[in-house]
Amino acid sequence: AQSVTQLDSQVPVFEEAPVELRCNYSSSVSVYLFWYVQYPNQGLQLLLKYLSGSTLVKGINGFEAEFNKSQTSFHLRKPSVHISDTAEYFCAVSDDSNYQLIWGAGTKLIIKP
Amino acid sequence: DAGVTQSPTHLIKTRGQQVTLRCSPKSGHDTVSWYQQALGQGPQFIFQYYEEEERQRGNFPDRFSGHQFPNYSSELNVNALLLGDSALYLCASSPDRGRVYGYTFGSGTRLTVV
Repeated sequence: AQSVTQLDSQVPVFEEAPVELRCNYSSSVSVYLFWYVQYPNQGLQLLLKYLSGSTLVKGINGFEAEFNKSQTSFHLRKPSVHISDTAEYFCAVSDDSNYQLIWGAGTKLIIKP
Repeated sequence: DAGVTQSPTHLIKTRGQQVTLRCSPKSGHDTVSWYQQALGQGPQFIFQYYEEEERQRGNFPDRFSGHQFPNYSSELNVNALLLGDSALYLCASSPDRGRVYGYTFGSGTRLTVV
């Protein structure tokens, strides 16, 4: 069965510094990968997705992620974070065998002024 | 354009009671999925409805049931509530069962069982 591991439960970073949030998934023949953001007391908003093609995916709010098949990873990056990026970030995966999303446990991004 | 609308936003129920949560998908979306998100955890898939039928189900007991109406709106019913059912329940809609578009999520219903 598919599984997703987000290696860090919390990531503290200074404002305007770069950040990387890590995500690894269990292997599958063909996967579809997503990053969602959840602001406090809100639902989930899609940041970006990888379906096929270029391994570097650009999303909203200046975020990007790189799909690495050999390492089964899909890490999220931003070159310069802002206080408004404070939120919880979830990595999710689906594959050709089913339509449900399998989720990681989430990473809380904490921006230090 | 309204996104996914869920009601109510908050709910408090007593153990053993039954609850119904409602979801209106984003305009143009015909697929509705329900997720349970416990505090401090990622969402867990409950089930997906497409063409008014349950198409896929996660690892949840039969106490969890649902329905999709001809206008694509959906209900989630939970019977015989347990304390462990306390969670944020998220509804997500998609125009293609999430395959290419992904899902648009509502803000959720916070269910507290006492």
